[in-house]
Amino acid sequence: SSELTQDPAVSVALGQTVRITCQGDSLRSYSASWYQQRPGQAPILVISAKNNRPSGIPGRFSGSTSGNIASLTISGAQAEDEADYYCNSRDSSGHHWVFGGGTKLTVL
Amino acid sequence: QVQLVQSGAEVKKPGASVKVSCKASGYTFTNYYIHWVRQAPGQGLEWMGIINSYSGETGYAPKFQARVAMTRDTSTSTVYMEVSSLRSDDAAVYYCARNSYEDLFDYWGQGTLVTVSS
Repeated sequence: SSELTQDPAVSVALGQTVRITCQGDSLRSYSASWYQQRPGQAPILVISAKNNRPSGIPGRFSGSTSGNIASLTISGAQAEDEADYYCNSRDSSGHHWVFGGGTKLTVL
Repeated sequence: QVQLVQSGAEVKKPGASVKVSCKASGYTFTNYYIHWVRQAPGQGLEWMGIINSYSGETGYAPKFQARVAMTRDTSTSTVYMEVSSLRSDDAAVYYCARNSYEDLFDYWGQGTLVTVSS
């Protein structure tokens, strides 16, 4: 399968923890990465499934994978975390990449 | 610092072609692959393909295999992506992104808006 499935929308209270998930068969073989996109801006890398964060990304962002589900966890969500989040991985063939449909995170 | 700077917005008629450029700086151009990703208005990210900046070898998503061509110019550290036979549903923001050694999209261009209108 070449699909990665994400919940379209998730909400979290300010300061609480939220998990955004990404499900797909290819995740059993290939690592996922996560991207944040604010309105009108280009996406930015926030985490890899190996839990590596680029410099400048706050430590409240973490990533993990279990079976065919990759997760992005934000521990103590802040107002500036409100954005769209996309997972990405190679597809099952390994020759192409695919993005999940995206999750819109609202911080209440 | 690593930068990917894309060409400006384009307005094209249906059936025409568009060529978007992505100029890299701040790193050794030929050491990294470049992806192209597009985003239609109000929609998600869609992977289009990848080019090996050293060899020029390409790989395309099946959906784009027939109408997209990616090339590079090592003398100017620039990658190009051309879409032919434009349709209204090709209207989107097109992004280039560098593929890191860990298979991540670690740096992105600012995006190029392509409008398709008669």
